Amino acid sequence: GAVVSQHPSWVICKSGTSVKIECRSLDFQATTMFWYRQFPKQSLMLMATSNEGSKATYEQGVEKDKFLINHASLTLSTLTVTSAHPEDSSFYICSARDLGFANTGELFFGEGSRLTVL
Amino acid sequence: GQNIDQPTEMTATEGAIVQINCTYQTSGFNGLFWYQQHAGEAPTFLSYNVLDGLEEKGRFSSFLSRSKGYSYLLLKELQMKDSASYLCAGSGAGSYQLTFGKGTKLSVIP
Repeated sequence: GAVVSQHPSWVICKSGTSVKIECRSLDFQATTMFWYRQFPKQSLMLMATSNEGSKATYEQGVEKDKFLINHASLTLSTLTVTSAHPEDSSFYICSARDLGFANTGELFFGEGSRLTVL
Repeated sequence: GQNIDQPTEMTATEGAIVQINCTYQTSGFNGLFWYQQHAGEAPTFLSYNVLDGLEEKGRFSSFLSRSKGYSYLLLKELQMKDSASYLCAGSGAGSYQLTFGKGTKLSVIP
């Protein structure tokens, strides 16, 4: 299957700093990527849909100025958590759909990035 | 929007069969997915149903009834490594976006 790589896997930062998380599709082009957040013992919550070459679409309640998304190429989307605070500590996961697998509907996930804000 | 509902926790014995149910209510529908997620890891794809009926894939099967807004994931010959959360997710009409249920934490005991 297709491979989506996320980096970094773990990041610890001080409150008030910004953190960038990268999501790459390694063997396919993804015009659309999705960013999810998962708090402990809870389900994945869609934060935003990242569209290559255009602005991301944010879900209700997600601050676009705090969670900056850039999808500058067909294989890379980045999520920047600006001025991070302890309540932003979470597991952030990106995903993408390989149109070559459109019939199966499979969505490929990155490994996830665990952010801890001190 | 979509509303996905599934049980929070289940326990089953190694070697047994377990069925995890999922009900959904959606304004548009383009398929029902099941994902497996081990603690601290990203979800991995198990199955996708868009038509009514049963899809079998090895020890895992998934069933969908669109008229009833109902799906289940069937796991046979349970193994200890099957202990994980199982996420039911719905895809809206014309959309790649998925709405996930809260997940069912399955514990397989000896």
